[in-house]
Amino acid sequence: GAVVSQHPSWVICKSGTSVKIECRSLDFQATTMFWYRQFPKQSLMLMATSNEGSKATYEQGVEKDKFLINHASLTLSTLTVTSAHPEDSSFYICSASPRGGGANVLTFGAGSRLTVL
Amino acid sequence: QQPVQSPQAVILREGEDAVINCSSSKALYSVHWYRQKHGEAPVFLMILLKGGEQKGHDKISASFNEKKQQSSLYLTASQLSYSGTYFCGTDRFNTGNQFYFGTGTSLTVIP
Repeated sequence: GAVVSQHPSWVICKSGTSVKIECRSLDFQATTMFWYRQFPKQSLMLMATSNEGSKATYEQGVEKDKFLINHASLTLSTLTVTSAHPEDSSFYICSASPRGGGANVLTFGAGSRLTVL
Repeated sequence: QQPVQSPQAVILREGEDAVINCSSSKALYSVHWYRQKHGEAPVFLMILLKGGEQKGHDKISASFNEKKQQSSLYLTASQLSYSGTYFCGTDRFNTGNQFYFGTGTSLTVIP
């Protein structure tokens, strides 16, 4: 089955530093990847949709300059949280789809828990 | 706006049944259902692509009422392993972009 690897699983950083989270599709090419943020006991909130070779589409209210998304290849998307602050602490999850269209099942990474001190 | 799920939370005894509803204010082109255990990533349960479609696996089934912009997930004879948070999800514009999840339903099965 389709596998998505997300790294790191958790990270603790100091306020003001930048953190990069990687999302890789291991056995399929992902033309579309989604990045979600999830606060405790809440739903997954879509941050942005990442399409290979083009700029990511950000949801309203998500700062493009703060959450940099790069989808440079068909198997890798990265999310960089720049100048992280304690309020950025959250569970970040990526998911990938082999191609566009709502008929495609999303495969999720295991998530990355970010804690900003 | 994300789909709204009801109930927000439910506690069941083993063997009891439950229904989780997902309602959207926008047109639903497809509905996905996922289950998430605490601290883990969501796991796919099933997808419904057509209005009127119903499908199931083991003792979990779902229906999709496209006209009413609703979907329901049915869990019969619940097992302890069913505990988790259930999310419906939809590709709002049917473009492959902007996949949104519902508000979530926490389900706890107790012995």
